[in-house]
Amino acid sequence: EAGVTQFPSHSVIEKGQTVTLRCDPISGHDNLYWYRRVMGKEIKFLLHFVKESKQDESGMPNNRFLAERTGGTYSTLKVQPAELEDSGVYFCASSQDRQAVLGYTFGSGTRLTVV
Amino acid sequence: DQQVKQNSPSLSVQEGRISILNCDYTNSMFDYFLWYKKYPAEGPTFLISISSIKDKNEDGRFTVFLNKSAKHLSLHIVPSQPGDSAVYFCAASASGGSNYKLTFGKGTLLTVNP
Repeated sequence: EAGVTQFPSHSVIEKGQTVTLRCDPISGHDNLYWYRRVMGKEIKFLLHFVKESKQDESGMPNNRFLAERTGGTYSTLKVQPAELEDSGVYFCASSQDRQAVLGYTFGSGTRLTVV
Repeated sequence: DQQVKQNSPSLSVQEGRISILNCDYTNSMFDYFLWYKKYPAEGPTFLISISSIKDKNEDGRFTVFLNKSAKHLSLHIVPSQPGDSAVYFCAASASGGSNYKLTFGKGTLLTVNP
């Protein structure tokens, strides 16, 4: 089975620009999560989708971040306008069941650099 | 305010020896703990987990120990192999693992020298 796919793998943009990250979860996985790791810090939860519905977006840093999952398949995370502190690695994960006990499958991440 | 702490940024071990990675947590609501392993340019990969009703879980060369009173857990790798060299993240969840949200530590870079 194909894993969680994220693209681009790297993105370098200037402060003030817009960037859209994409995540394709494992087929059939209703649950999709976004996490972020700022350099040297812990991996932090951003939000959780069940199918196309946002269940929890308590980790979203501010309203410059917009996540969507139209049709309940792939998801996009848009940052507009990007700031320097948005730099980091953005991970997407998916699971069939919404239980951490099963361990999620993470994608390889998108490394975002804002200059 | 870090709720999961991995105080050792790095650890270096000789091949064949034991690797011990430590993790402390502060939130008493956490009752399910996981270890993830991450290679460069890859996402974290689930390694092993433990529920708070247990104090030990073993899977091959990997054993996780949980000390609830001390709010401390550790991952033991025996024997260590060069392929184990990676960043190891400790993660915690509440509600017996039924909660989807994971709280991670900063990670420990393990280097296993041949």
